[in-house]
Amino acid sequence: SQQGEEDPQALSIQEGENATMNCSYKTSINNLQWYRQNSGRGLVHLILIRSNEREKHSGRLRVTLDTSKKSSSLLITASRAADTASYFCATLLSGGSYIPTFGRGTSLIVHP
Amino acid sequence: AAGVIQSPRHLIKEKRETATLKCYPIPRHDTVYWYQQGPGQDPQFLISFYEKMQSDKGSIPDRFSAQQFSDYHSELNMSSLELGDSALYFCASSSRQGRGDTEAFFGQGTRLTVV
Repeated sequence: SQQGEEDPQALSIQEGENATMNCSYKTSINNLQWYRQNSGRGLVHLILIRSNEREKHSGRLRVTLDTSKKSSSLLITASRAADTASYFCATLLSGGSYIPTFGRGTSLIVHP
Repeated sequence: AAGVIQSPRHLIKEKRETATLKCYPIPRHDTVYWYQQGPGQDPQFLISFYEKMQSDKGSIPDRFSAQQFSDYHSELNMSSLELGDSALYFCASSSRQGRGDTEAFFGQGTRLTVV
């Protein structure tokens, strides 16, 4: 069953614009991680946010976590063509399975 | 820094053949995960190992088996291959110390094509 569900499924923007992707999940988590995947390539770990954190920054990335709404968002500021990729969130469930569980990704296209 | 190494990167097999995928985790990581990602799909968890023992089992078909060896590398064995097994297979590793804070690091994947 899907734990994380990304929204939107596809996003197309111009270089320089900001891109926001959302992820919702169903059960309590220890942490939530965002990954990037270039077409047919490996998953690159972007950022981890713990369940007791609300916001985290890394370079042009900003991640928020709202455990009351069971949702997270990934904001990429000043996007670049090289940001074109699929983005996935993965949750690590609390009190049980210790397996990063992925939802459907968001496909981001940044036009130069 | 050392990353998760998977081999081979690409593999083409015929139906009903057998395939073996290998994964070398990051040094000192104690947990290995295997995932399958079909075209346009999200990664689906197959199986994991913690300290060389099977830890969790996901949607791994009975035709598949996996193990983790004394040097912590892991192999995914796939028999009686079917066309639907064509996918990208990822291995990931993590360290369970600091359980709530663990990041999983993924390899580049093995692209298996069954013809």
